[in-house]
Amino acid sequence: NAGVTQTPKFQVLKTGQSMTLQCAQDMNHEYMSWYRQDPGMGLRLIHYSVGAGITDQGEVPNGYNVSRSTTEDFPLRLLSAAPSQTSVYFCASSYSKVQDLGGYTFGSGTRLTVV
Amino acid sequence: DQQVKQNSPSLSVQEGRISILNCDYTNSMFDYFLWYKKYPAEGPTFLISISSIKDKNEDGRFTVFLNKSAKHLSLHIVPSQPGDSAVYFCPRGTYDRGSTLGRLYFGRGTQLTVWP
Repeated sequence: NAGVTQTPKFQVLKTGQSMTLQCAQDMNHEYMSWYRQDPGMGLRLIHYSVGAGITDQGEVPNGYNVSRSTTEDFPLRLLSAAPSQTSVYFCASSYSKVQDLGGYTFGSGTRLTVV
Repeated sequence: DQQVKQNSPSLSVQEGRISILNCDYTNSMFDYFLWYKKYPAEGPTFLISISSIKDKNEDGRFTVFLNKSAKHLSLHIVPSQPGDSAVYFCPRGTYDRGSTLGRLYFGRGTQLTVWP
């Protein structure tokens, strides 16, 4: 049982390049989310999904796109990378049931640097 | 305002003593809080949760208290251990028709250091 798998672990991009951060979970979780962590800012929600085909914006969605074509995968696309997107990105997944409070499982993160 | 405020960016406690981590919130429209801890270079891991209908929840060394009149949440760790040294977050969430909604909002966290 791999949990939440994020790839790549590290990435350096040039300003203006695009790329996709991959996230996959094998726990059949309905909910998936993307967060970014910046120094002194905690974790901020970028986008989230409550099921295949359903996505919505979080606190800081600008510059990012998501899609959820399957339950397992929730890729995050950077359309045109900017230095302000230098951050550590975390993907998380969870069941939707009330009794699974705290069921968000996080991946180990992707450290992205935009130069 | 969906976030909670963790006004103390850091806390230093001696091993064996109690650690008390605090969160304040302004919006009363919530259904539950969770506590997560995060080690460097790792994703956050779940610790304990509390729903709005309770004022206390315990799990081993961890106890969370909710004071709704003061809009204050705290996590007590007794006894503290060096392995508890991490950043602690208290995100909040809401229900909808019996299921948790997809949004969890994290604050800036509190760095706990437990020294021997």
